[in-house]
Amino acid sequence: GIQVEQSPPDLILQEGANSTLRCNFSDSVNNLQWFHQNPWGQLINLFYIPSGTKQNGRLSATTVATERYSLLYISSSQTTDSGVYFCAPREETGFQKLVFGTGTRLLVSP
Amino acid sequence: SQTIHQWPATLVQPVGSPLSLECTVEGTSNPNLYWYRQAAGRGLQLLFYSVGIGQISSEVPQNLSASRPQDRQFILSSKKLLLSDSGFYLCAWRPRGLGEKLFFGSGTQLSVL
Repeated sequence: GIQVEQSPPDLILQEGANSTLRCNFSDSVNNLQWFHQNPWGQLINLFYIPSGTKQNGRLSATTVATERYSLLYISSSQTTDSGVYFCAPREETGFQKLVFGTGTRLLVSP
Repeated sequence: SQTIHQWPATLVQPVGSPLSLECTVEGTSNPNLYWYRQAAGRGLQLLFYSVGIGQISSEVPQNLSASRPQDRQFILSSKKLLLSDSGFYLCAWRPRGLGEKLFFGSGTQLSVL
């Protein structure tokens, strides 16, 4: 099955800083999503981004499908951005399930 | 608008006891439904998914089963819990044919003691 690697595994930022999270995946995909899990466990879908670039407020995501990676940009970080960010490309064979990486744990301090 | 409800939020069960977790989706019809498990500090593992009433698929052998008795209801069950069944269980849904985004419920933290 598809392999997913996210980096960095942990990130500590001062409020107001910018950051880039990376997701590498091993196979071609037609579907990739980014999620944020808050400290209470709730998973929020941030982006559906199989290719190209999308922006939503202070967050933006870019997927370069031909090179098998995706990036999540967080600008002017806030304490509420803390949590774990997961990348999830979809396997294109079998169950066509989303395969979750192990995530990037972000802590934004005031 | 669509919402997903999952309960209970936390559950502590003894080894060997049964389990029933319930998930319902409102505001949509014929969704794809999913059960995921998240071990502490790790990513999510797909346990079951369903494309319709009575249609359940799983690729991971385990001590758990799932059922979909109604279009927007998805149940995760076990007859006898094991210690290894502890974890954070998440229900999720996706619109059928209209979108690719996956939406999650608030999760159930299960501790088997």
